[in-house]
Amino acid sequence: DTGVSQDPRHKITKRGQNVTFRCDPISEHNRLYWYRQTLGQGPEFLTYFQNEAQLEKSRLLSDRFSAERPKGSFSTLEIQRTEQGDSAMYLCASRLTGNQETQYFGPGTRLLVL
Amino acid sequence: DQQVKQNSPSLSVQEGRISILNCDYTNSMFDYFLWYKKYPAEGPTFLISISSIKDKNEDGRFTVFLNKSAKHLSLHIVPSQPGDSAVYFCAAMNDKIIFGKGTRLHILP
Repeated sequence: DTGVSQDPRHKITKRGQNVTFRCDPISEHNRLYWYRQTLGQGPEFLTYFQNEAQLEKSRLLSDRFSAERPKGSFSTLEIQRTEQGDSAMYLCASRLTGNQETQYFGPGTRLLVL
Repeated sequence: DQQVKQNSPSLSVQEGRISILNCDYTNSMFDYFLWYKKYPAEGPTFLISISSIKDKNEDGRFTVFLNKSAKHLSLHIVPSQPGDSAVYFCAAMNDKIIFGKGTRLHILP
């Protein structure tokens, strides 16, 4: 049973560039979540999907951020016109509703905006 | 305002002794409370959870206690082992998870 995977693991970009991250959840998990973690803080919720439907977005998710889960399996998170404040660890998690009271996290994508 | 609070940024415990990590929350409507362990450059790893209708859950060396009247939960690790050194996050979940800021646990030899 493979866990949640994320790609890339690290990304360095220049301010103003666009970046896209991918998350592959645990197979059959219907819910997929994105979180962001900065230094000294716990992960903060960004958005989540149930199958292909995006059900909630945090106020942290500015209009430069967009997430998709087109076929209800993998998801992408795109950040347009990156800013230095976007530097963080971006975490993806998945969950099967109904019989699991937890979310399983991937290894994260560490973004550095120069 | 923080809904989940971990007031101790760090904790040092002798190997073999009990480690107790504490957490307070403000919202009575959470369905589940969870503890995650995190190493640098990795995602959080799920440790143990407890339903809001229970007051104790045990899994091997890990026990979580929930005191709903005090809006407080704690994680007990006994006996503590060197591999337990990590950052521990307390979290509360309905649909999404709200995390505390974490407590760094050091297990001393």
